[in-house]
Amino acid sequence: DAKTTQPPSMDCAEGRAANLPCNHSTISGNEYVYWYRQIHSQGPQYIIHGLKNNETNEMASLIITEDRKSSTLILPHATLRDTAVYYCIAEAPYNNNDMRFGAGTRLTVKP
Amino acid sequence: DAGVTQSPTHLIKTRGQHVTLRCSPISGHKSVSWYQQVLGQGPQFIFQYYEKEERGRGNFPDRFSARQFPNYSSELNVNALLLGDSALYLCASSLLPGTGAGETQYFGPGTRLLVL
Repeated sequence: DAKTTQPPSMDCAEGRAANLPCNHSTISGNEYVYWYRQIHSQGPQYIIHGLKNNETNEMASLIITEDRKSSTLILPHATLRDTAVYYCIAEAPYNNNDMRFGAGTRLTVKP
Repeated sequence: DAGVTQSPTHLIKTRGQHVTLRCSPISGHKSVSWYQQVLGQGPQFIFQYYEKEERGRGNFPDRFSARQFPNYSSELNVNALLLGDSALYLCASSLLPGTGAGETQYFGPGTRLLVL
């Protein structure tokens, strides 16, 4: 699995877009980028994943650079309930059957 | 539909004891993974099981063991507990092992273990 690098913390104003960056410069061609978040004392929650193309679902958008060395998770209208630790993971399908979580980014949405 | 369920939610043990944690995957999911999350860190992979067979193992001592039952539920066992085993133990289920294209792991709420 490729190593990912994220800022340890970020703040965002309620109602504004939260843009969470992730660097995965050593990502290989078959590794997907996954995003999970973990709200205090709960299990991680799947958000979105992608390989090459930008992806959007009801929770967020994922923008992957053309060289795939970095990506950005976008929460379009952050709410206080989006305050959580966000994890970016790069993993190949069926590779070692584990997901390698780093320390993540602690996003604090402020009123 | 029910998500991944884990029991118990909290547990207090003393050093040297053993513990069994239980997990029920989402209906239809055949793969179960276990993770340990120490306070302030991200989850660390312990085991993955698929169709009752171990498909992956993280860097944990032999005191940690697991099994999967015919109904795809799973148990994580930890023997000779140490203070450092205090953590949140997370179970995740998926349709298939690994995260494959279109696959994702869904996590339960975890079991918080405190070893005194």
